[in-house]
Amino acid sequence: QSVLTQPPSASGTPGERVTISCSGGNSNIERNDVSWYQQFPGTAPKLLIYRNNQRPSGVPDRISGSKSGTAASLAVSGLRSEDEAHYYCATWDDSLSGWVFGGGTELTVL
Amino acid sequence: QLQESGPGLVKSSETLSLTCTVSRGSISRRDFYWAWIRQPPGKGLEWIGSIYESGFAYYNLSFKGRVTISVDKSKNQFSLRLNSVTAADMAVYYCARGPRGHYEFDPWGQGTLVTVS
Repeated sequence: QSVLTQPPSASGTPGERVTISCSGGNSNIERNDVSWYQQFPGTAPKLLIYRNNQRPSGVPDRISGSKSGTAASLAVSGLRSEDEAHYYCATWDDSLSGWVFGGGTELTVL
Repeated sequence: QLQESGPGLVKSSETLSLTCTVSRGSISRRDFYWAWIRQPPGKGLEWIGSIYESGFAYYNLSFKGRVTISVDKSKNQFSLRLNSVTAADMAVYYCARGPRGHYEFDPWGQGTLVTVS
């Protein structure tokens, strides 16, 4: 059971906007920045969003992140087939004194 | 920039040892931390531990003292040792870098699969 809770799956049609939630608590998301990772099968995770809503260079602006209280979310607008992947949220947990990840969400483009 | 290396097969009850070589930039820089993260087949990501260039390391408590992470500045490498492995330790092991004072991992190594027999 992950400390951060994500829906196991999400889906949308091309062009749609999809959001993926990440629910935590006051020892993790509420106090610390959240990062998001994209992972394709057989490859390493790639940083998609850092510090709640910042995009590394090369990540398109149709990808966005936000945080409010004990929850964070990742939004993918203008959905494309190339967005099909697993997405993970992560942050530091002050009570555990360690990093925690969400269980991951598999995004399917219908 | 980061490359894991080590045996892909470890016997149950023995010690898993992996090394991460940093090919661009110095591991001695104080503005980064270095981490090990693993992913069992078909499952999610799990942080194992992290280390600073000073050698100060901190670990996921769920590993109950089985983990040691060390840094070798002369080789620009950091290493992972996991004792008393079981089938539950079979996973792809990734090394990664993060900016000191912040909570993200970038970049990641390509990962290496460790099987426990």
